[in-house]
Formats: sequence, C-alpha cells, structure tokens
Amino acid sequence: DGGITQSPKYLFRKEGQNVTLSCEQNLNHDAMYWYRQDPGQGLRLIYYSQIVNDFQKGDIAEGYSVSREKKESFPLTVTSAQKNPTAFYLCASSISGLSNQPQHFGDGTRLSIL
Amino acid sequence: GESVGLHLPTLSVQEGDNSIINCAYSNSASDYFIWYKQESGKGPQFIIDIRSNMDKRQGQRVTVLLNKTVKHLSLQIAATQPGDSAVYFCAENKGNTGFQKLVFGTGTRLLVSP
Repeated sequence: DGGITQSPKYLFRKEGQNVTLSCEQNLNHDAMYWYRQDPGQGLRLIYYSQIVNDFQKGDIAEGYSVSREKKESFPLTVTSAQKNPTAFYLCASSISGLSNQPQHFGDGTRLSIL
Repeated sequence: GESVGLHLPTLSVQEGDNSIINCAYSNSASDYFIWYKQESGKGPQFIIDIRSNMDKRQGQRVTVLLNKTVKHLSLQIAATQPGDSAVYFCAENKGNTGFQKLVFGTGTRLLVSP
C-alpha cells in the first residue's frame, strides 16, 4: 500500500546527542514537510521541501536540520542545539507544493529526553 | 495576526446525532482549507478540503461549510459513530507565494457516547 512511513515510533535522546528521524513515502509526491506537535497546540512547521535537493526553513527550524537527497526520503535531525526536543514529530507529503493539494501524514515519532 | 482557532475544545455527542465542529480563521487571503482527524498516537488523517471559491463541499457523511464573510469554517458529521471519536483539526493555507504553508488550529476533541 502507498503511504508515509515514519521510524522509529518512539525515540529517546541523551544530553548532547543528535538523533535522526526517518520519513519515507512511496506516493511519488514532490513536496515533503516536518511538523512538531506539542500538547494543546497546533502543528508547527519545522522544514519543508518542494523538490529533491531543495528545502526551506519553516517557523521553528532552530535546532533542526534536514536533507532531501532522494524524492522518497526526508530525514529530520534533532540536534543538541534544540533545548526542548520532547514532542511528537509528524512528517507529511503532498503531490506538489501548490496551495490546493492536501498534505498526507505519517503516524509520527515520539521523541523524549532520557 | 494570522491564526486558526476553534470555538470548542471538547464536543460530546450521542451516537447517531449529527456533530458540528467549528473553526475561525483570521487571514482573509487564505484560499484553501482542510479538515483532519487525529486518533490517539497516530498522525492526522485527511477528511475533506475546500477551496475559497466554494462555500460547501460534501463527502461521505461529512460536509464542510465555508463562510468567507465572517471567516468561519465548519465540519458537519452526520449520524456520528463511536469510531468518529478523535481530535479534529482545521488548517488554512496562508502561503502567499504559490507554495502551500498550512496553519493548524489547536483541535477539538469529539467524544461519541454509545
């Protein structure tokens, strides 16, 4: 089945450690997105990519980095510079980045601090 | 400022009733709106979308209404079932460069009693 796969489902980070969250899609979508979800808040955009080898900062990019070397993959690294990384991280994709296309989401990775 | 919000944080209904979930948006230039359903521990699931040149759109058991005059969006669910219990988010596209940039509300929790 086509879809978006995020792994791992749960992840723990130690002090000073970088961790990478995986996002893979087999929908042949051009655009991909990373969001952070905190309790009682709406989703906030971290990074987005319109096409391979291109990505742009979202509203809360500090302490995060991404790459888009392949169309189907958009990994997110949470660096040690992100002081409050505990959250639910959601990856999404859409056919294109145009404004009238819905984004479809994976089932998220929950990141916690040890 | 630009924001998407919800009038009611929790809505409790009986099975078989119709449910109405409301959303207010503040950006009059937004041209595209989406409703998502999110179950516990999962990613948001696309329900229905609507473009700003429409005021109503129907899906299977769901209807979205858009009132641009008062910047109000609603999701109607007919014959609500226990499986409809979840958090529902509205999102508006505030991207003004042709590229989609969604702003999400904080969500309304729908509780369906048998």
